Amino acid sequence: DGGITQSPKYLFRKEGQNVTLSCEQNLNHDAMYWYRQDPGQGLRLIYYSQIVNDFQKGDIAEGYSVSREKKESFPLTVTSAQKNPTAFYLCASSISGAYGYTFGSGTRLTVV
Amino acid sequence: ILNVEQSPQSLHVQEGDSTNFTCSFPSSNFYALHWYRWETAKSPEALFVMTLNGDEKKKGRISATLNTKEGYSYLYIKGSQPEDSATYLCAFYMNRDDKIIFGKGTRLHILP
Repeated sequence: DGGITQSPKYLFRKEGQNVTLSCEQNLNHDAMYWYRQDPGQGLRLIYYSQIVNDFQKGDIAEGYSVSREKKESFPLTVTSAQKNPTAFYLCASSISGAYGYTFGSGTRLTVV
Repeated sequence: ILNVEQSPQSLHVQEGDSTNFTCSFPSSNFYALHWYRWETAKSPEALFVMTLNGDEKKKGRISATLNTKEGYSYLYIKGSQPEDSATYLCAFYMNRDDKIIFGKGTRLHILP
């Protein structure tokens, strides 16, 4: 079955540590996206990539980094520079954003 | 700043009743409007992708309409069932960049 997989589902990290969230898709989609959700807020775009080896900052990219070395994979690193990293993170992929997204099931990151 | 507004934020509906809620979006640079259903502990699932003014789409008991000139879309649920309990997200795709702006969602609770 084609789909998009995020791991892990829950992640706990100490303040000041970098942490990498995994996102893998086998849908042969060119575009991949990372969103963050906080309580009472809509989904906010962190980074997106329309093609391998290329990515763009979204609305809240500060304190995050990404790579797109393979079409299937778009890992997100939450660095120690991110002031409020505790949140729910969603990854998505699409042929093109106009046609809608396929979402992963999310990773809940808690920094203590 | 481009905003997508959804109302109401939360809604309680008796099982068997019909309901509807609204998504407002910028009427300029319109390309597509998406509706997603997001059940707790699952991934958001695409319901509709709408592109043409006056579009009406239907999937079982759920339907949606689109008015691109005035910048709104309605989602209707006929004869609500417990499985309809979810957050319904709308998302606006502009005719530039390859990214989507999400509303904060309408949280629907179906009461038995």
